[in-house]
Amino acid sequence: RKEVEQDPGPFNVPEGATVAFNCTYSNSASQSFFWYRQDCRKEPKLLMSVYSSGNEDGRFTAQLNRASQYISLLIRDSKLSDSATYLCVVTAGGNNRKLIWGLGTSLAVNP
Amino acid sequence: DAGITQSPRHKVTETGTPVTLRCHQTENHRYMYWYRQDPGHGLRLIHYSYGVKDTDKGEVSDGYSVSRSKTEDFLLTLESATSSQTSVYFCATTSGPSTDTQYFGPGTRLTVL
Repeated sequence: RKEVEQDPGPFNVPEGATVAFNCTYSNSASQSFFWYRQDCRKEPKLLMSVYSSGNEDGRFTAQLNRASQYISLLIRDSKLSDSATYLCVVTAGGNNRKLIWGLGTSLAVNP
Repeated sequence: DAGITQSPRHKVTETGTPVTLRCHQTENHRYMYWYRQDPGHGLRLIHYSYGVKDTDKGEVSDGYSVSRSKTEDFLLTLESATSSQTSVYFCATTSGPSTDTQYFGPGTRLTVL
């Protein structure tokens, strides 16, 4: 089993749609969780950290379920500019300096 | 955006030649990282640095060495490039341990023929 697993997609959705991505992780000792966004042939950029209580930033909502070891990202009212690959990232259990990166979920928002 | 630059941005080289990639940051961040990104793999850590002259191996360090003589510069060297090292290389920095936001450079696309 991969340490961090994501559905690669692609998810093709119309503008204005709501879309959700899930990510599962294997190490129950992981402490920190993030979603990064990566545009084609560009560098990853932090979208948001994921907190135990869940957190929201505008149209984006992140949730963490420690019992089931998954995190989710919900995007409401999708924009064309949301088209990108979304990377799920977790810290390696017991080593805060090491990040484990998922392969990413590709999203295409269509007019 | 964090001031992180990488050079060169693109490079084509031949098997067996040495290659050095440079990462330069203007943020005075303590931690710096080198990753490679390949299809079918997530970002994989090659080496990282937690201060000047303090470096450690990541998960795919074989065939790579690093040096950090100044806070702002982190060099990645391929001593003798192989075709398996064809990849996109990203440098990243954080002000603290990796639970802080990682800021990435624009990447270097390296092709080893």
